[in-house]
Amino acid sequence: AQSVTQLGSHVSVSEGALVLLRCNYSSSVPPYLFWYVQYPNQGLQLLLKYTTGATLVKGINGFEAEFKKSETSFHLTKPSAHMSDAAEYFCAVSDQTGANNLFFGTGTRLTVIP
Amino acid sequence: DGGITQSPKYLFRKEGQNVTLSCEQNLNHDAMYWYRQDPGQGLRLIYYSQIVNDFQKGDIAEGYSVSREKKESFPLTVTSAQKNPTAFYLCASRGTGGTGELFFGEGSRLTVL
Repeated sequence: AQSVTQLGSHVSVSEGALVLLRCNYSSSVPPYLFWYVQYPNQGLQLLLKYTTGATLVKGINGFEAEFKKSETSFHLTKPSAHMSDAAEYFCAVSDQTGANNLFFGTGTRLTVIP
Repeated sequence: DGGITQSPKYLFRKEGQNVTLSCEQNLNHDAMYWYRQDPGQGLRLIYYSQIVNDFQKGDIAEGYSVSREKKESFPLTVTSAQKNPTAFYLCASRGTGGTGELFFGEGSRLTVL
């Protein structure tokens, strides 16, 4: 069965500082991995995804994530935080079975301090 | 523009009343999903449908019902049997094949008074 663990339900960083949001997954098959962002009272927007190939994936708004199979991790990073990055971030894994459903982590709320 | 439209955005309901949330997509996607979101619990799958006239229960289907009579539409009814219906509800869709990426609507916030 697939599952996702996001370490830290709340993360605070100063504006201009490195953003690091952690995600570890459990999957019995090679996973597809996703990061989504959610602004208050809105739906989820895809930031980036890993399917196959290059393990360092670049997404929108300057975010990137690296798939590390040996560590079963897919951490999200951004070199320099901006006030507009304040939001909730969700990591998700696809089970690649017949239903191909996504399993979501519980989310990490990012606060950016001016 | 292609996308997913959920309505209403905000809804208030008295206890004991059923309420239906609308979800319409013009992305020509086969699969559609309903999630419930509560603070600190992430997204939990209520129902999903991979094709017209067929749907399956997710992890928390009790107290909810759905229909899929048209490819574009996947309405969710929150029945009076749902003990704690106050939540943010998200509809999503996905095309055939691909990598499992979901496209989400803007959500509907239901409050039971």
